[in-house]
Amino acid sequence: DQQVKQNSPSLSVQEGRISILNCDYTNSMFDYFLWYKKYPAEGPTFLISISSIKDKNEDGRFTVFLNKSAKHLSLHIVPSQPGDSAVYFCAARGGGATNKLIFGTGTLLAVQP
Amino acid sequence: DAMVIQNPRYQVTQFGKPVTLSCSQTLNHNVMYWYQQKSSQAPKLLFHYYDKDFNNEADTPDNFQSRRPNTSFCFLDIRSPGLGDAAMYLCATRVGGGGTDTQYFGPGTRLTVL
Repeated sequence: DQQVKQNSPSLSVQEGRISILNCDYTNSMFDYFLWYKKYPAEGPTFLISISSIKDKNEDGRFTVFLNKSAKHLSLHIVPSQPGDSAVYFCAARGGGATNKLIFGTGTLLAVQP
Repeated sequence: DAMVIQNPRYQVTQFGKPVTLSCSQTLNHNVMYWYQQKSSQAPKLLFHYYDKDFNNEADTPDNFQSRRPNTSFCFLDIRSPGLGDAAMYLCATRVGGGGTDTQYFGPGTRLTVL
């Protein structure tokens, strides 16, 4: 039973355009969401996060939107750059003392020059 | 630079031969995690330490053990690796104590089982 789903395994975008990566979750108890970026042969690196009490968080070219009623979040990258090409993982915090993260399966973003 | 280091980056072992993967951190974080990630799948939490307190996930096989001798180091022991244990193993740390929820990952160790 996958609690965090990234239904698009891959996405291709032209340089300079907007990239939108989507993530859906099933557990309404999740209270914190994170996006990680992973290059080949490297570990995931933290990108941006959002608390469930907010609906938007912005950091430079990256914006995360949260729609709690739809249990949906999205990551917008504007403008997209070739260096953004990577696998993007959505993660949700399960709550409790462990701060356990539940990850999605990732979306491979390819930004074409 | 402060970081999470995993050694080796690539490990080849034989079916049934014990193997140990190591993780070290210079971040002085309280919490250390071990994840298993198979191809095209989400990273799956195996267990974590909050300081010296060990927390095993319910579905982590008994074949997987961990040790944390001090704050900086954490080891993953696979007692009798099977072909199904071939995966990327990721170590992560978090500051703990009500601090940021962000986990910081190492580069991973890719385990091959022959």
